Amino acid sequence: NAGVMQNPRHLVRRRGQEARLRCSPMKGHSHVYWYRQLPEEGLKFMVYLQKENIIDESGMPKERFSAEFPKEGPSILRIQQVVRGDSAAYFCASSLNRLGIINEQFFGPGTRLTVL
Amino acid sequence: AQKITQTQPGMFVQEKEAVTLDCTYDTSDPSYGLFWYKQPSSGEMIFLIYQGSYDQQNATEGRYSLNFQKARKSANLVISASQLGDSAMYFCAMREITGNQFYFGTGTSLTVIP
Repeated sequence: NAGVMQNPRHLVRRRGQEARLRCSPMKGHSHVYWYRQLPEEGLKFMVYLQKENIIDESGMPKERFSAEFPKEGPSILRIQQVVRGDSAAYFCASSLNRLGIINEQFFGPGTRLTVL
Repeated sequence: AQKITQTQPGMFVQEKEAVTLDCTYDTSDPSYGLFWYKQPSSGEMIFLIYQGSYDQQNATEGRYSLNFQKARKSANLVISASQLGDSAMYFCAMREITGNQFYFGTGTSLTVIP
C-alpha cells in the first residue's frame, strides 16, 4: 500500500529557471495539499486541490507559483523564475474527504528545492 | 494570532526518562483535530498521534500520549521511556473542521542524551 509519493526528492535550480514538483496521492485519495517548510520553520499551507479543481490557494504566492491536479496523473506544483528565497522543502499531503470528520493528512517525503 | 504555539525551541531528555513537549492552540471552531508529527533529520513527516476535540479521553499510541486540556487549549505530547531514536523535531498541528489546511507550530527540537 504505497503512501504519498513525491519526486524528485532533491531538486537544484539556478535563479530564473523553472521548478516542477510532483505528488502522487495515496491510493483512493482525491484531495491533495501542498505545504512549504522554510529552514528552521514549521510547515505553511500553500494550496488545496481536488481532481481538476483548486479549492483553496490562500497560501500560495500570487506570482510565479501555480498548482494543478489533473484528472490523470500526479499533482504538480510549478515555480517559475525561481529565486533564492524559494529554497525550501515542499511537502505534499493527501486525504480522503469524509464529511463531518477531521480527515487525517498523510504526508509525502518532501522535495528539497535548492536555488543557486 | 498564532493558531499553534510551541514555546520550546529545544529540549533535552535523558534516555529512558519521560519528556513533555508543549503545544497550545487557538480556534473558535467547536470541532477540530490536533496532531503531532515527528520530523527526523532525514526530513520526512511521521504521524504520531491524533486527538479530536470531542474525544473524552486523552489519546495514547504506544509510548506517546497526548495531554489534552480543552479549557486551557493545550495539547501537550508526552513521550515516555525516551530512546535515542526519539531525537528529532516535533511539530504540533491543528485542523478545524471548517477549514482545509493544517496549521503547524514552529516545532520543538528534542535531543535524547545517552
